[in-house]
Amino acid sequence: QSVLTQPPSASGTPGQTVTISCSGSSSNIGRKTVNWYRQLPGTAPTLLIYTDNLRPSGVPDRFSGSRSGTSASLAISGLQSEDEADYYCAAWDDSLEAWVFGGGTKMTVL
Amino acid sequence: EVQLVESGGGLVQPGGSLRLSCAASGFTFNNFAMAWVRQAPGKGLEWVSGISKSGSNIHYAGSAKGRFTIFRDNSANTLYLQMNSLRVEDTALYYCVKYTSGTSLGDYWGQGTLVTVSS
Repeated sequence: QSVLTQPPSASGTPGQTVTISCSGSSSNIGRKTVNWYRQLPGTAPTLLIYTDNLRPSGVPDRFSGSRSGTSASLAISGLQSEDEADYYCAAWDDSLEAWVFGGGTKMTVL
Repeated sequence: EVQLVESGGGLVQPGGSLRLSCAASGFTFNNFAMAWVRQAPGKGLEWVSGISKSGSNIHYAGSAKGRFTIFRDNSANTLYLQMNSLRVEDTALYYCVKYTSGTSLGDYWGQGTLVTVSS
């Protein structure tokens, strides 16, 4: 059981905008910023969004993040076949004094 | 180019020990906090432990407290994870992870080293 809650799966057609949610609590998302990671099959995760809505260099602006209250979301616009991957949210938890992850969302491009 | 290369994984019996290493290059190692994150086969990501750039501030996940020790050698640009009293549920791919300059987790990840705990 993950501390942060994500839907296990999401899907969309090419060109569509898809959103993945990440729900937490007052000890993590409610007071700390959120990161998002993408993991392509058989590879290590890569940072997609950090500090809620910042993109590392090289990440296209099709990816955007937001946070409100105890929830965060990742939006992927102009969905492409190469976006098929697992997506994870993470945040620092003040009560646990640990980084906590969501269980991951498997994105399928139909 | 930032590189993080893990080593030290392998097959170990329950109750045994392993020491993982992560050789870092391509950045000023002693300017950044580091962490270990693991992923059990077919499962999600789990943060295991983190250490500040000087090594003076350390945190552990509940599953690692009392059994695992994270430490670093800034003169050798190397991060370590000493794992004792290993359990079957510690079986996972262990990633070495670099924090951003703002102490946000994971702007660079290694390829991982596999730890298998089995009798």
